[in-house]
Amino acid sequence: AQKITQTQPGMFVQEKEAVTLDCTYDTSDQSYGLFWYKQPSSGEMIFLIYQGSYDEQNATEGRYSLNFQKARKSANLVISASQLGDSAMYFCAMRRSSASKIIFGSGTRLSIRP
Amino acid sequence: DGGITQSPKYLFRKEGQNVTLSCEQNLNHDAMYWYRQDPGQGLRLIYYSQIVNDFQKGDIAEGYSVSREKKESFPLTVTSAQKNPTAFYLCASRTPGTGDQPQHFGDGTRLSIL
Repeated sequence: AQKITQTQPGMFVQEKEAVTLDCTYDTSDQSYGLFWYKQPSSGEMIFLIYQGSYDEQNATEGRYSLNFQKARKSANLVISASQLGDSAMYFCAMRRSSASKIIFGSGTRLSIRP
Repeated sequence: DGGITQSPKYLFRKEGQNVTLSCEQNLNHDAMYWYRQDPGQGLRLIYYSQIVNDFQKGDIAEGYSVSREKKESFPLTVTSAQKNPTAFYLCASRTPGTGDQPQHFGDGTRLSIL
């Protein structure tokens, strides 16, 4: 069965430092996609970055990058030069390319200290 | 502007009452989803639909029902059989068949028991 695991319930980081949020996944599929979302306290879900299982390069979007290690089944989100506005819940999600179902991890609450 | 509209933003349910949460999208997306989020937790999939007049159970479908009579609409009914319905409910949609398309989310409905 598919499963997403985020082992860090909460993290505190000093402003301007880089931070890595962990995500491991379990699937027997060869083709799948991995997503990261940000959820501020207001509740909306904001899409950050996507990584396909066959993508040879790690995905990057501005200050966000994804450290994809396929053999380890990990897809960690790296935020460079953190800002106060980065304080939020962060969720890792996975989709099997053969299906429409998408499942989420339990999330990591990131708090940025000024 | 294209997007997903969830209504109402806040909803209160009496014991033994069914309530329906509305989700409408004008993004022309085929796939739609309902998730439940408990405080400090991740998103759990209730139901999803890949096409009109078709839907599948997610991981926590018991006590919920859906319909998909129109492409734009995917209402969720929380029945009296759902004994612990207090949660934040998020609706999402996406274009299926393309691996890298993220889900677009509505702003959510907070359901509470009176």
